Amino acid sequence: GESVGLHLPTLSVQEGDNSIINCAYSNSASDYFIWYKQESGKGPQFIIDIRSNMDKRQGQRVTVLLNKTVKHLSLQIAATQPGDSAVYFCAEPGYNQGGKLIFGQGTELSVKP
Amino acid sequence: GAGVSQSPSNKVTEKGKDVELRCDPISGHTALYWYRQSLGQGLEFLIYFQGNSAPDKSGLPSDRFSAERTGGSVSTLTIQRTQQEDSAVYLCASSISGGLDTQYFGPGTRLTVL
Repeated sequence: GESVGLHLPTLSVQEGDNSIINCAYSNSASDYFIWYKQESGKGPQFIIDIRSNMDKRQGQRVTVLLNKTVKHLSLQIAATQPGDSAVYFCAEPGYNQGGKLIFGQGTELSVKP
Repeated sequence: GAGVSQSPSNKVTEKGKDVELRCDPISGHTALYWYRQSLGQGLEFLIYFQGNSAPDKSGLPSDRFSAERTGGSVSTLTIQRTQQEDSAVYLCASSISGGLDTQYFGPGTRLTVL
C-alpha cells in the first residue's frame, strides 16, 4: 500500500556540517516525492521535489537522491545552518485523485552552533 | 501576494462543544486540502476540495467532522461534539489546480479539547 516512512526521528548536527535525512517508501510504483520543512509553530514549507525518472535533483544547498532499487530517498543539506533547524517530512501524492499528500513521520533536525 | 491564512490560530474548547476552523486559500487556487497533525506525528489527510466540491472525503475520521467551501475560496472545517482525541493542529493547504501542483500550507489552527 502507500506509505512513506523515515528512518530516524531526530538528527543533531554541528553548524557547517552536512545533514542527511532519509526516507523509505513501500510502493514501487511511486513516481513523485516531495520534501517539506516545518519550523516550530508554522505550516510545512515546500523544499524540493523529484520524479522517478531522475536519480538526483539539486536546489539551493539541498540535494535529493532517489534510489528506486531499494525504494529510498534522502535529503542532503549542505553547510547546515541554525535556520535549518526544523522537522523535515518526505511525502508522496496519493494516487486515487486530487493529489492528497501522504506524509512520513518526520525527522527533527537540530543544528548546534 | 498573501499566502494561505487560517483562523483562529489557537482554539481551546470543552469536550462536547462544536468548533469551526477557517481557511483562506491563496487567491486563484482551485484546490484546497485539510490535514491534521497530532502531537509528534506526521500530517494526516482529511479532505480535498476542487472548487466547491469535495471529491475526496476519505480522511474524515468520523461523522462529527464536516467541511464546506463556498465561492471556490474560503473553507470551514467543523467538528461537532469535540472529543479530547480531536486535539491537534489542523492545517489547510491550497494548490493551483490539484494533482501534482505544489501545495502551500497555512500556519494551522491548534485545537485543544479539555
